[in-house]
Amino acid sequence: DTGVSQDPRHKITKRGQNVTFRCDPISEHNRLYWYRQTLGQGPEFLTYFQNEAQLEKSRLLSDRFSAERPKGSFSTLEIQRTEQGDSAMYLCASSFSRGPGANVLTFGAGSRLTVL
Amino acid sequence: AQTVTQSQPEMSVQEAETVTLSCTYDTSESNYYLFWYKQPPSRQMILVIRQEAYKQQNATENRFSVNFQKAAKSFSLKISDSQLGDTAMYFCAFEDQKLVFGQGTRLTINP
Repeated sequence: DTGVSQDPRHKITKRGQNVTFRCDPISEHNRLYWYRQTLGQGPEFLTYFQNEAQLEKSRLLSDRFSAERPKGSFSTLEIQRTEQGDSAMYLCASSFSRGPGANVLTFGAGSRLTVL
Repeated sequence: AQTVTQSQPEMSVQEAETVTLSCTYDTSESNYYLFWYKQPPSRQMILVIRQEAYKQQNATENRFSVNFQKAAKSFSLKISDSQLGDTAMYFCAFEDQKLVFGQGTRLTINP
């Protein structure tokens, strides 16, 4: 297993466009998390899944953001009608929900979004 | 809601010195996990060390150790014999079904 993969690594878009990010977690992990990180700040939680169920969404996540994990494997994060304030690094992480490795998150390299 | 505070935005030490990064948190829970993660420049976040709150013994991983003071809700990270490769952002995190991160400390190890 090569770890958590995120695609694309970089995305530049114009304000008002829609963007979609994909995350492929470690295959054995049943939990998948999305975070947003701006320069020099700690990651902010957006949402997480256990298998295909979305268990929690942050109040930071406006209606323009939607995340899915349809088969409990990869996940997508879509941002509609992007705004300049959406510019950030979007981090995906995965983990087990039980056992000695529970809640030890393995992070991907992130998808950097720039909204012009 | 749980909060995590890192009061040192930046620190800088010489190679081979020992450095301690501070972290405090707020929770009403009695059993939980605390973490330190490292994010090197332009690289992904990796786990440094984990502490279970019900364990009184402080966690240690090679040159990295923690000082966990449950009553004071304090969780500091000590890096001994610091190396150039330790240069990174360090984030303290509290586990509450998901991780809640502090603002980070930018650590620079100088040759």
